[in-house]
Amino acid sequence: DQQVKQNSPSLSVQEGRISILNCDYTNSMFDYFLWYKKYPAEGPTFLISISSIKDKNEDGRFTVFLNKSAKHLSLHIVPSQPGDSAVYFCAAYYYGQNFVFGPGTRLSVLP
Amino acid sequence: ETGVTQTPRHLVMGMTNKKSLKCEQHLGHNAMYWYKQSAKKPLELMFVYNFKEQTENNSVPSRFSPECPNSSHLFLHLHTLQPEDSALYLCASSQAGEEVQYFGAGTRLSVL
Repeated sequence: DQQVKQNSPSLSVQEGRISILNCDYTNSMFDYFLWYKKYPAEGPTFLISISSIKDKNEDGRFTVFLNKSAKHLSLHIVPSQPGDSAVYFCAAYYYGQNFVFGPGTRLSVLP
Repeated sequence: ETGVTQTPRHLVMGMTNKKSLKCEQHLGHNAMYWYKQSAKKPLELMFVYNFKEQTENNSVPSRFSPECPNSSHLFLHLHTLQPEDSALYLCASSQAGEEVQYFGAGTRLSVL
């Protein structure tokens, strides 16, 4: 049973619009969450994180929102750019445990 | 030099072969990880090394054998693999106690 789910395998968005990638988790012990981005033929690279004491973290065009009661987080990219086209992984963690990754969502930003 | 380097990038092997994957990190980290990524599945953690000591072995079959000779190098020795072992194998490193892991580009393994 997957503890971290990304139910949309793919998403297409027009350049300049907002991209919203979703992630759901089942284990209420998770208290730290990260988003990674992966281009083809490259390893995942860290994008942004959030701890459970916050409900929002922003870094430039990227904002992550956390809803602990719903066990849901989302990554907003605005405005979306063609260079954002990649696979995005959500990962969850709590102290003493290793990260659990979601299966990823492939984002395509269309020019 | 990139932070985490994996070699080879691609590997094709028969089920009776023995091969090794190599990972090297230039970030001064003291924790290293092997992950397996199969098509359309989440990254699966295989092994964790902290300060060169193996601290995690997630029920990985014995045909995968890790080795960590020092905190900068990590190997994954492969022998008598099965076709279902074909996947992308990713190495990562981190500073113990910090959450962010830094990944290599991976080795794409095909077992025939």
